Amino acid sequence: EAQVTQNPRYLITVTGKKLTVTCSQNMNHEYMSWYRQDPGLGLRQIYYSMNVEVTDKGDVPEGYKVSRKEKRNFPLILESPSPNQTSLYFCASSLLGGPYGGYTFGSGTRLTVV
Amino acid sequence: EDKVVQSPLSLVVHEGDTVTLNCSYEVTNFRSLLWYKQEKKAPTFLFMLTSSGIEKKSGRLSSILDKKELFSILNITATQTGDSAVYLCAVEARTSGTYKYIFGTGTRLKVLA
Repeated sequence: EAQVTQNPRYLITVTGKKLTVTCSQNMNHEYMSWYRQDPGLGLRQIYYSMNVEVTDKGDVPEGYKVSRKEKRNFPLILESPSPNQTSLYFCASSLLGGPYGGYTFGSGTRLTVV
Repeated sequence: EDKVVQSPLSLVVHEGDTVTLNCSYEVTNFRSLLWYKQEKKAPTFLFMLTSSGIEKKSGRLSSILDKKELFSILNITATQTGDSAVYLCAVEARTSGTYKYIFGTGTRLKVLA
């Protein structure tokens, strides 16, 4: 089944404790992206990657890191999480330049930083 | 600054009603507009629109794009309780070497039995 898999689904952590949210897709998509979703603010892009070893900042990159060492994986790293990073996070992937466009989203990770 | 604005923010209707959701945008280098439905968790893809005036249809849902007036509408006829969700509009914008989607904040639809 074509899908984007994120883990974990829920995470509660303490301020300053490094964490990684994993994202993997099995559709051979070039483009992968991380979003956070907050009430009233919608989906905001954190980082995106157009291919292996090519990453770039989205609209709200502060406090986050990403890497794209393999095409299928795009982990999101919070080196020192803070309470303002409490949010619902989505990983998404798509074909680059494909005629049908559109993202396939992961199931989301609800992160709480206390 | 690129932006996508959806209206209304929230809508409550009864089963059987028809609803129209709006999405207006201002982006540089528009490529496409997409509609998603978000229930409990991940958004799911509904439509992608690239050309003005061509209606996309799937069952009771339909959507159309006006590239001159920079907006799109999503229509849902004969609404059912299962249509209750947040509907997201996103615009794909491309500039040289970059490629991004800008999302609106969504319209929350609640359909009452």
